[in-house]
Amino acid sequence: NAGVTQTPKFQVLKTGQSMTLQCAQDMNHNSMYWYRQDPGMGLRLIYYSASEGTTDKGEVPNGYNVSRLNKREFSLRLESAAPSQTSVYFCASSEAAVPYEQYFGPGTRLTVT
Amino acid sequence: EDKVVQSPLSLVVHEGDTVTLNCSYEVTNFRSLLWYKQEKKAPTFLFMLTSSGIEKKSGRLSSILDKKELFSILNITATQTGDSAVYLCVKAGGTSYGKLTFGQGTILTVHP
Repeated sequence: NAGVTQTPKFQVLKTGQSMTLQCAQDMNHNSMYWYRQDPGMGLRLIYYSASEGTTDKGEVPNGYNVSRLNKREFSLRLESAAPSQTSVYFCASSEAAVPYEQYFGPGTRLTVT
Repeated sequence: EDKVVQSPLSLVVHEGDTVTLNCSYEVTNFRSLLWYKQEKKAPTFLFMLTSSGIEKKSGRLSSILDKKELFSILNITATQTGDSAVYLCVKAGGTSYGKLTFGQGTILTVHP
């Protein structure tokens, strides 16, 4: 039982490049989330998926897209990376789309130069 | 604006000390208050509080919520070096997606 896994762990991009961050959970959770964590800002919600087949914007969605591929997987795409997107990205999942305990993945450290 | 404010922002103590971490929040769309511990990687869940005045305990850690005064405290007694971490206070909203608003965190450093 791996919990929430994320790939890659680290990534360096040049401005304008695109990439997809992958997230998977093996807890049969219905809801999944993408956050970014910046110094002094706390964690901020980018997108969430309350259940398979649905996705919605969070607090800071600009510059990102998501796909809920199936119940297990939720990916985050940066179409044209910008230096402002340099951050640590966390994926999380929870049993349902109410404030149950959220389980976090180990994070992806992304640097955009 | 939906805010969660934690204090102090950082704290340095010695092993064996007792610490109290504070968290205040805004009342809009409140459903519950959560505490997480973040070491080098992902946050890990500590407590979820929904009712005022009911203390939750786990070993040396305890937490309580005051919904009238809109704050919560996290106490750690007999601190150990392994308690060194960032402690995050999180407000869970009443929206359909369970929106979490994170505080900036309190950085706790416990020296031997």
